[in-house]
Amino acid sequence: DVKVTQSSRYLVKRTGEKVFLECVQDMDHENMFWYRQDPGLGLRLIYFSYDVKMKEKGDIPEGYSVSREKKERFSLILESASTNQTSMYLCASQAGAATNEKLFFGSGTQLSVL
Amino acid sequence: SQQGEEDPQALSIQEGENATMNCSYKTSINNLQWYRQNSGRGLVHLILIRSNEREKHSGRLRVTLDTSKKSSSLLITASRAADTASYFCAPSRDNYGQNFVFGPGTRLSVLP
Repeated sequence: DVKVTQSSRYLVKRTGEKVFLECVQDMDHENMFWYRQDPGLGLRLIYFSYDVKMKEKGDIPEGYSVSREKKERFSLILESASTNQTSMYLCASQAGAATNEKLFFGSGTQLSVL
Repeated sequence: SQQGEEDPQALSIQEGENATMNCSYKTSINNLQWYRQNSGRGLVHLILIRSNEREKHSGRLRVTLDTSKKSSSLLITASRAADTASYFCAPSRDNYGQNFVFGPGTRLSVLP
């Protein structure tokens, strides 16, 4: 089975810190995604990537950036963390739109910004 | 992109009962997926139904799709305590992941 691994389950940071959330998938998937999940709002797409060094903005990219230097790794960066970025962050991967439609999710990172 | 809206927001049933959750959406779709999320964890894909299908089964899961009403339902039969989770639908006009838009979900509690 596909494994999507997020580096931290829980993270506590201070306002203004630079935060890196790492995500690694082990099935050579083309597509990778970062979501945040807040109560009552469902999952909101932050950024996604279809290839190495490629990135596209999702619905709420403000305050975030991403990096995909290798196919298996997709990093989410909070340049200067703020309290309104306290949330559950979920990474997902997808084999490719033409082959397998379903998304595989990591276990999530609960980020608290104090 | 479009969002699926799940209904009800929360559902509480006894073990052994059936649970039905509904999803409505607004525009034409290519397929619709259902996912489950255990508390504090990532989502897990349950089942996909295509726009030309009306019903699909997987174990104790039964999904229906009515494209004329732009709605889908997920039925879990003979529920178990382990089915306690949030359930999300994700309608999509194509297979591209960024077009899978998840609603707030239905929180299902199965009481022993």
